[in-house]
Amino acid sequence: SAVISQKPSRDICQRGTSLTIQCQVDSQVTMMFWYRQQPGQSLTLIATANQGSEATYESGFVIDKFPISRPNLTFSTLTVSNMSPEDSSIYLCSVALGRTNTEAFFGQGTRLTVV
Amino acid sequence: LAKTTQPISMDSYEGQEVNITCSHNNIATNDYITWYQQFPSQGPRFIIQGYKTKVTNEVASLFIPADRKSSTLSLPRVSLSDTAVYYCLVGEEGGSYIPTFGRGTSLIVHP
Repeated sequence: SAVISQKPSRDICQRGTSLTIQCQVDSQVTMMFWYRQQPGQSLTLIATANQGSEATYESGFVIDKFPISRPNLTFSTLTVSNMSPEDSSIYLCSVALGRTNTEAFFGQGTRLTVV
Repeated sequence: LAKTTQPISMDSYEGQEVNITCSHNNIATNDYITWYQQFPSQGPRFIIQGYKTKVTNEVASLFIPADRKSSTLSLPRVSLSDTAVYYCLVGEEGGSYIPTFGRGTSLIVHP
């Protein structure tokens, strides 16, 4: 298993500012994922972050808006840039482990409110 | 990527057995079936995973018929604390798999 610490757990931010979310894992993992979950909705994948390479973004998400860093095998950050109220959501960090890579572990999430 | 279909919501009562079925008609030979549970204000939690037949752990059982086009998550004797959203995911074995979530099933357990 994996223990994931995500910071901050919640924040209220002014529009136009940026917030960086940190994700720390207690073991080395190859693949880390960032998701967004809006109230009452399912999880939407933002990007996949592999150590040593640029993040791979899903359709509708761009690097200028959601820059991601992955400096080593246990840490990643997601920045939500130039925020607007539409960015209010829960942001979740995840890692996949195991031979099949189909068992994923999630952080507690960061609840972001943009005012 | 195999698409999954689940009921949007289900209601049950404490002590009952709950069965949530997921359809995945386009499942591929190398795909595993994985179920997650998500409580409000928490990230999803892995419950159980299977490839075929039946898998059981301390939390749930997973039934997969021979054609693997569907699967059923069985929760024995649910309690109020089992109220959560349950997601069925289908994914290929290997390092390139990316967990992709569908809408999930919102289970409400009543007293």
